[in-house]
This record gives sequence, C-alpha cells and structure tokens, in this order.
Amino acid sequence: GNSVTQMEGPVTLSEEAFLTINCTYTATGYPSLFWYVQYPGEGLQLLLKATKADDKGSNKGFEATYRKETTSFHLEKGSVQVSDSAVYFCALWEGTSYGKLTFGQGTILTVHP
Amino acid sequence: EAQVTQNPRYLITVTGKKLTVTCSQNMNHEYMSWYRQDPGLGLRQIYYSMNVEVTDKGDVPEGYKVSRKEKRNFPLILESPSPNQTSLYFCASSLLPSPENIQYFGAGTRLSVL
Repeated sequence: GNSVTQMEGPVTLSEEAFLTINCTYTATGYPSLFWYVQYPGEGLQLLLKATKADDKGSNKGFEATYRKETTSFHLEKGSVQVSDSAVYFCALWEGTSYGKLTFGQGTILTVHP
Repeated sequence: EAQVTQNPRYLITVTGKKLTVTCSQNMNHEYMSWYRQDPGLGLRQIYYSMNVEVTDKGDVPEGYKVSRKEKRNFPLILESPSPNQTSLYFCASSLLPSPENIQYFGAGTRLSVL
C-alpha cells in the first residue's frame, strides 16, 4: 500500500535559520504530493502541492520539489519566522484512493526569536 | 467565507455512551471525509462520502458510523465509544475527490473516552 515517511521531530530552530523537513513516499501509481500545515488549535491547511514529477510547489516562502527518482518531496524554507511554528504533514493522493490522503506522522517545528 | 465546521470542539465521555460529532460545509462540496489523528501516526481516514447517500469505509472504520442525508452535513457516529477511540478527529471536504481540488479541514474535535 501507499505510505509516507517524514523525518523524526521535533525540530527547533532560531529565527532566520534554514529549514528542511524530509519526506519520502511509497506508492503503487503516480501520486500527487502535498504539504499541509497545522497551527496550534486549528485544522490542517494546504501549504503547497505538486502533481507530477519535477514539479515544484511553493507558497509563503516554502518550497518542495517532486523527485520521482528518489521518491521524495522535502520541504524547505530559506529563513523561518516565529510565526512558522506549527506541525507540518507530508501527504500523498493516489488515483485509485477515492480522494483519500495518506499522511506522514507530522513534524513539529518550533522557531525561537 | 469557505468553512468546514465541526461540533463539539472538545468532548469527554464514558465508555458505551453513544455520541455524534457533526460536520457541516458551506461550499457545496460533493466529497467529504473523516480522519482521526494520533501521535506518531499522522491522520488516518475513517469514512468518506462521494455524494448524498454514498458512503464507504476508509482505513480505520471499526467502531464508527456515518450518514450523508444532505450534501452539506456528514456526521460521525460512535454507537458505543471505547477508550481506544480517544483521539483528535477532523472532517474534510472538497468539490471532487481530485488532487486539483483543495481539501478543506475543520478545526478538529478532541474526544476523550474514559
């Protein structure tokens, strides 16, 4: 079956540091890939997505590139802010899954001033 | 404003006492689903619905029921809750079950079963 593996957390950074959160996946077909963010006390929000190999998703300074050869979709940001503190989920959608998103376990990010 | 609204946000109950968590969306979406979130496991799908009166099991349906009598509402029913159903629950909706359509999530319902 499909699965998503995220790097172990939590991640603690100082403001303006570089962020990488690793995500790798296993899928039977050609999935679409997503990063969702969950701020404290809120539901998940779509951060960015990529629907085919070599696509780059970007939003709010975050980027991730769909790498089919390494089955990866790592999230990066050049300079994090305190307001980026949240839980980040990598997820995939595969065509036969009737809309189901398969999520990684989530990575808690804390950014200190 | 596009919204998925869940109620209640917090619930403490006892084993065996039936409960319903409501979910409503105002976007005329056809597709709705329920997930549970547990530490270290991410989110796992419980049930989904492709449209009115069309529902099907997700990955972890045991102990749950759903109904879709109206397009906007998709309640989650626990007929006889047990402690292993203590979790954070999210309702989600999208226009269609396609990666081109954004899935919107509710704010979550934190359930504790004693």
